[in-house]
Amino acid sequence: AQSVTQLGSHVSVSEGALVLLRCNYSSSVPPYLFWYVQYPNQGLQLLLKYTSAATLVKGINGFEAEFKKSETSFHLTKPSAHMSDAAEYFCAVSDPGNDMRFGAGTRLTVKP
Amino acid sequence: EAEVAQSPRYKITEKSQAVAFWCDPISGHATLYWYRQILGQGPELLVQFQDESVVDDSQLPKDRFSAERLKGVDSTLKIQPAELGDSAMYLCASSLVSTSTDTQYFGPGTRLTVL
Repeated sequence: AQSVTQLGSHVSVSEGALVLLRCNYSSSVPPYLFWYVQYPNQGLQLLLKYTSAATLVKGINGFEAEFKKSETSFHLTKPSAHMSDAAEYFCAVSDPGNDMRFGAGTRLTVKP
Repeated sequence: EAEVAQSPRYKITEKSQAVAFWCDPISGHATLYWYRQILGQGPELLVQFQDESVVDDSQLPKDRFSAERLKGVDSTLKIQPAELGDSAMYLCASSLVSTSTDTQYFGPGTRLTVL
């Protein structure tokens, strides 16, 4: 079965600094990969998704992620953090015949 | 912009009581999902509907949980009796179809506290 590991339950960056949130997946077939963001007491909002087209995927709010098959990774990045980026971020994997599996999440804190 | 609606947003109940959560998906979305999210963890699928039919309820604790989507539109998730370990956020999501690539749109969730 597919699974996702998010490295680092908490990440803290300064405003304007690079954001890097790590995600590694396990799947027996080519996966579909997603990043979602969750603000306090709200549902999840899709940031971006990889569905076997371009390996560099651009999403909303300036985020992007690169699919690296050799490293089984799908790390999320943003060149310059904004205070409004503070939230919980979830990586998820899906493949045909299986339900979506989420990682445990990474809480991003942005310091002024 | 169309959204997934859920109610109530917060629910506090005592152990052994019954609780019910309601979800109204985005209009036209055939697939509806119920997830449970324990604090500090990612969501876990409880049940998936395609129209009014259950297509996956393998992770639903059927001795106490039930879910229905009678007319293939809105859905209700029920817990009876509630246990302390059921305290969590219950999220509803919907998608246009049920393929692996389809985007799931999430509602704001219902936060359940069992005392």
